[in-house]
Amino acid sequence: GAVVSQHPSWVICKSGTSVKIECRSLDFQATTMFWYRQFPKQSLMLMATSNEGSKATYEQGVEKDKFLINHASLTLSTLTVTSAHPEDSSFYICSARISPPPDTQYFGPGTRLTVL
Amino acid sequence: GENVEQHPSTLSVQEGDSAVIKCTYSDSASNYFPWYKQELGKRPQLIIDIRSNVGEKKDQRIAVTLNKTAKHFSLHITETQPEDSAVYFCAAISGGSYIPTFGRGTSLIVHP
Repeated sequence: GAVVSQHPSWVICKSGTSVKIECRSLDFQATTMFWYRQFPKQSLMLMATSNEGSKATYEQGVEKDKFLINHASLTLSTLTVTSAHPEDSSFYICSARISPPPDTQYFGPGTRLTVL
Repeated sequence: GENVEQHPSTLSVQEGDSAVIKCTYSDSASNYFPWYKQELGKRPQLIIDIRSNVGEKKDQRIAVTLNKTAKHFSLHITETQPEDSAVYFCAAISGGSYIPTFGRGTSLIVHP
C-alpha cells in the first residue's frame, strides 16, 4: 500500500524558534498533500491543502505567514512553524492523496511538537 | 461547505458484540466516504471506504452502508475484539474539491 513518512516524529523547541516538518510519499506521487493539526481527543483539523508547484490553500483562521507550506516536488511537502509559541504545541499530521480516484488519502505518522 | 456529524462520541462494548458508528453529511455533492481508525499517538489508518454509487461494502468483520437519500453512512464492526479499541473517524469528500471533512471521532472501547 501507499506509504507516507513524516519527519521528525517529535520535536521540542524554545519559544520563538522555527520548526520544519517534512512529509514524503515514499512509493507514489502525490499531487496534493494535506496538513492537519490534532489536539488531544479531538478530530483532525485541516490547516491547508498543498498542491505541487503552486501556493498552498489555507483554511479560514490559519495564518499563512506563521505556517509556511512548500510543496516543491510530487513526493515532498514541508510545513514550517515560524516563531513557534507554546500554543502551537500540537500533533501535526500530513496526508497525501492518490490520484486519480478513488482519491484515497494516506496519512503520515504525525509529528508531536512541543514548544517550551 | 460540508458538515459531518458523527455519533456516538464514545462507544463501549463487550468483546464479541457488534459496534455501529453513524455519520451524516450535508453536501449532496459528496461522493466518497472513507473510514479511518486511529490508535493513540498513531496515524489514522484507512480501514474501509465507499463511493456514492454503492450502497454497502464489506471486508471481513467490517462493513459500511450508505444511504444517499438520507445522507448518512454507517460503520459496522462485528465480533469485536480488544484490538478494535481505537478512535474511528468518518469523512466525506466531494469529487469537486477533494478536500475531506472529518467527523469528530468515536472512541470505541472493547472490553475483554
